[in-house]
Amino acid sequence: KNEVEQSPQNLTAQEGEFITINCSYSVGISALHWLQQHPGGGIVSLFMLSSGKKKHGRLIATINIQEKHSSLHITASHPRDSAVYICAVGGGADGLTFGKGTHLIIQP
Amino acid sequence: GAVVSQHPSWVICKSGTSVKIECRSLDFQATTMFWYRQFPKQSLMLMATSNEGSKATYEQGVEKDKFLINHASLTLSTLTVTSAHPEDSSFYICSAKGKLWYSPLHFGNGTRLTVT
Repeated sequence: KNEVEQSPQNLTAQEGEFITINCSYSVGISALHWLQQHPGGGIVSLFMLSSGKKKHGRLIATINIQEKHSSLHITASHPRDSAVYICAVGGGADGLTFGKGTHLIIQP
Repeated sequence: GAVVSQHPSWVICKSGTSVKIECRSLDFQATTMFWYRQFPKQSLMLMATSNEGSKATYEQGVEKDKFLINHASLTLSTLTVTSAHPEDSSFYICSAKGKLWYSPLHFGNGTRLTVT
């Protein structure tokens, strides 16, 4: 079974700061997902990665398959970015294995 | 874009009753649907995987007779919590994907179940 470790668990930063959230996993995967969970519980899929780097607006996700590691970056952070960010691995015909999430608070 | 609709968003029921949660894909064919459960301050945990027209595959420790999953069409999957108990109180969320391995995952907004 894949073990997914996320760090940090909690992160508070000031508006405008560059944010990095890390994710490591133990077993080789077909894809890694970065998800955003809002206070009400709803989840939005931010990225699905199998290699390299993806960018969407102020969000950047990278993955290093050899090192079994991925990072999610937020540039020019804003209070509306406050949420729980979850790394999940797997997919395809199988469900995902989730990290415990990173609770991000961006203060104005 | 593709949307997954989950209903209800919250439900309160009495111990011993059954609750049905629906998950619908609105503009794509959801070949595979996943049901997850999240207890407070814990990770999402996969409960079961269902493929349209097939019996669901349950994760270890999840009682299939208690959590009935039906995936009768390419746009609808249901999770029925039978004879609910207070310990079943949790946040249940579905996700759906199309046939191809690289099909994106789409999540429902979740259902908060409280059993009194």
